[in-house]
Amino acid sequence: AQTVTQSQPEMSVQEAETVTLSCTYDTSESDYYLFWYKQPPSRQMILVIRQEAYKQQNATENRFSVNFQKAAKSFSLKISDSQLGDAAMYFCAYRSGGQGGSEKLVFGKGTKLTVNP
Amino acid sequence: NAGVTQTPKFQVLKTGQSMTLQCAQDMNHEYMSWYRQDPGMGLRLIHYSVGAGITDQGEVPNGYNVSRSTTEDFPLRLLSAAPSQTSVYFCASSYSPEGGKLFFGSGTQLSVL
Repeated sequence: AQTVTQSQPEMSVQEAETVTLSCTYDTSESDYYLFWYKQPPSRQMILVIRQEAYKQQNATENRFSVNFQKAAKSFSLKISDSQLGDAAMYFCAYRSGGQGGSEKLVFGKGTKLTVNP
Repeated sequence: NAGVTQTPKFQVLKTGQSMTLQCAQDMNHEYMSWYRQDPGMGLRLIHYSVGAGITDQGEVPNGYNVSRSTTEDFPLRLLSAAPSQTSVYFCASSYSPEGGKLFFGSGTQLSVL
């Protein structure tokens, strides 16, 4: 079974600075997807970024980017120019590949990000 | 566009009571799922459905029952509530060709006394 590990239960960053959240995963599959989801205090889960394992290029979404190291099974999230609204729990997640397959996600335990003004 | 709607938002039960958490989506997604979120545990999959009439168990299915009679609705039933089922419950839907892009409801905070 696949596992996702987030080794940083809490992180903090100064407003406008850059922060990197770590995620490692364990799988024997070659085709899969990785995600970062954000959960602000409102409790709503929001997709931040998605990476397809067969794509070598790292995904980016505005101030959010990932460093995907497939051989190392590492998938870190970098938040640039941090804003107060970035304060949230961040979850790393894994999905097995194949469009016809199940949409079951395996989540890490989360990293709580605090943004200091 | 309502997306994924969960009701209720909060619920308190006594041990042994039963209840149903409702989930509806209006995006015509074939895939729906239920997760529970406990402090320090992340989200864990309870049950999921790949289409009307098709359901399967996730990682933590015991004590829960689901059915999927329509594409839109995917209720989660607690048969006999236990304190261990105190948690936040999330319903999600997705369109499989966009693998893993889950749309979540706003969650149900359930306390079992």
